[in-house]
Amino acid sequence: DSGVTQTPKHLITATGQRVTLRCSPRSGDLSVYWYQQSLDQGLQFLIQYYNGEERAKGNILERFSAQQFPDLHSELNLSSLELGDSALYFCASSVEGIETQYFGPGTRLLVL
Amino acid sequence: GQQLNQSPQSMFIQEGEDVSMNCTSSSIFNTWLWYKQDPGEGPVLLIALYKAGELTSNGRLTAQFGITRKDSFLNISASIPSDVGIYFCAGHGGTSYGKLTFGQGTILTVHP
Repeated sequence: DSGVTQTPKHLITATGQRVTLRCSPRSGDLSVYWYQQSLDQGLQFLIQYYNGEERAKGNILERFSAQQFPDLHSELNLSSLELGDSALYFCASSVEGIETQYFGPGTRLLVL
Repeated sequence: GQQLNQSPQSMFIQEGEDVSMNCTSSSIFNTWLWYKQDPGEGPVLLIALYKAGELTSNGRLTAQFGITRKDSFLNISASIPSDVGIYFCAGHGGTSYGKLTFGQGTILTVHP
């Protein structure tokens, strides 16, 4: 158990819908990262937050957004969902922002 | 952008055999990490490397940070059935904040 929690574990929805994925980092970690894992793209970095502020952006679509709240948990919002958004979404955390990242168990999203 | 080439893509070995896999990068990394992922689960950190030339062990696992800072190696000695899974290398470059770039993964199958 890495100490990073993610909910829900599974999510099934339809195209055009909007979903919110939630992540709680390890106790004491200030930085949260979101990754997408699909069969053809591997693990892709989406976005990083540090102590409530966006720190770095990767291959995140404009339909996707994230935020980190004062209690340091983070949410990833995916809107206008398309079939190709079906993937595993992982959250990771680290103490500050450049060290070893610990991953949560992931949310499996299926868009039908 | 930064690219990581991980090889081999897959390995089929007998229990008790040693395993070697490696990653090479098109650019320099400051940190190399090795993760193992079981199906449907999040990546679990195995070994973290922070200095060029560093050799670090974790039980039967040994990893090295290449001197050029563009490659890393992971060795597993005396493999056992529970070593089955996907092994990922990941690198972090100094100017990319927390973003990790992942290799494509090595799928390891161990026959009893």
